[in-house]
Amino acid sequence: EAQVTQNPRYLITVTGKKLTVTCSQNMNHEYMSWYRQDPGLGLRQIYYSMNVEVTDKGDVPEGYKVSRKEKRNFPLILESPSPNQTSLYFCASSLGQMNTEAFFGQGTRLTVV
Amino acid sequence: GQNIDQPTEMTATEGAIVQINCTYQTSGFNGLFWYQQHAGEAPTFLSYNVLDGLEEKGRFSSFLSRSKGYSYLLLKELQMKDSASYLCAVRSQQAGSYQLTFGKGTKLSVIP
Repeated sequence: EAQVTQNPRYLITVTGKKLTVTCSQNMNHEYMSWYRQDPGLGLRQIYYSMNVEVTDKGDVPEGYKVSRKEKRNFPLILESPSPNQTSLYFCASSLGQMNTEAFFGQGTRLTVV
Repeated sequence: GQNIDQPTEMTATEGAIVQINCTYQTSGFNGLFWYQQHAGEAPTFLSYNVLDGLEEKGRFSSFLSRSKGYSYLLLKELQMKDSASYLCAVRSQQAGSYQLTFGKGTKLSVIP
């Protein structure tokens, strides 16, 4: 089954404790991206990757890192999480930048206390 | 920068037709998308417009006017399961790469 898988689905952590949210897709998609979704603000892009070893900042990259060492995986790293990073995070992938349809993972609800 | 506006909430009756509008201001416009998102779930793709006009897909249609910076999503024969948020998203080309920017979403409630 074609899918984008995020882990974990739910995470509560403390300020400053490094964490990684994993994202994996099995569709051989080139383009992957991370979004955060907050009430009243909608989906905002954090980082995106056009292909292996090619990443770029989205609208709200501060406090986040990503890597794209292999095509299928695009982890999101929070080196020192803060409470303002409490949010619902979505990973998405599409065949290419120009491809119409993006497939979203099921989301990771992160709480930083 | 980019600006995308859509109504925050709408209510419509089962079996009726509803139109959700989206206006945008962007440079390097390269397509407009509509996504559906049920509460607590991931967004799912509904439609895509890059040229002016109407795209029809079953009960859902989407319209685009690039000169007016305007799109709408039309839902016909509303069903209770259509209660969800509808996200308008604009793709733009800037400095050789493409970026997808989402509006804040319109929460649609379908009532009996």
